Amino acid sequence: DAGVTQSPTHLIKTRGQQVTLRCSPKSGHDTVSWYQQALGQGPQFIFQYYEEEERQRGNFPDRFSGHQFPNYSSELNVNALLLGDSALYLCASSLTGGASQETQYFGPGTRLLVL
Amino acid sequence: QKEVEQDPGPLSVPEGAIVSLNCTYSNSAFQYFMWYRQYSRKGPELLMYTYSSGNKEDGRFTAQVDKSSKYISLFIRDSQPSDSATYLCAMVPNAGGTSYGKLTFGQGTILTVHP
Repeated sequence: DAGVTQSPTHLIKTRGQQVTLRCSPKSGHDTVSWYQQALGQGPQFIFQYYEEEERQRGNFPDRFSGHQFPNYSSELNVNALLLGDSALYLCASSLTGGASQETQYFGPGTRLLVL
Repeated sequence: QKEVEQDPGPLSVPEGAIVSLNCTYSNSAFQYFMWYRQYSRKGPELLMYTYSSGNKEDGRFTAQVDKSSKYISLFIRDSQPSDSATYLCAMVPNAGGTSYGKLTFGQGTILTVHP
């Protein structure tokens, strides 16, 4: 059973650049959430996608945007990168309407470093 | 004040000890409670999932929820060096509404089990 996969694993960018991170959900899941985890902190919710639309959003600026494709995979885009965007970006998948729809399964993350 | 508070530790115990990890929260709307384990430089792994108050046991792990006190715990019996990781509590309100799918995490507790 394929779990949540993310690419790339690591990324180095400079301030002002743009970045795209990718996620494929666990087999059978249709909902993708993105989180940002700074060093030594718990993950912070960025947004969630379901049926190719943003369903829920956390306290992140519009520089953070996303997309979900018909095959349920998702992208996270961050524009005008700041040093403070350096973090581990986690993708989590779940099944809306499932028996345990509140449970989310995480991928290994993409570690982004902004210089 | 953060919605979810978790003692970051670090916590160091000898192999075989009983470990108690705790979180408190302020949002009475939280209904679903999870514990995740995160190894260094990896994504969080779901350990336990509990709905509302009560206890749930799975092998060496027991999760407790006391909604009247807004307090949740994870107990690890017969702890092993392989249990050394960061433990994150997470919670979410009922399905639907404006917080659907948004997991709110604690800061994480770093646990080391030494042989």
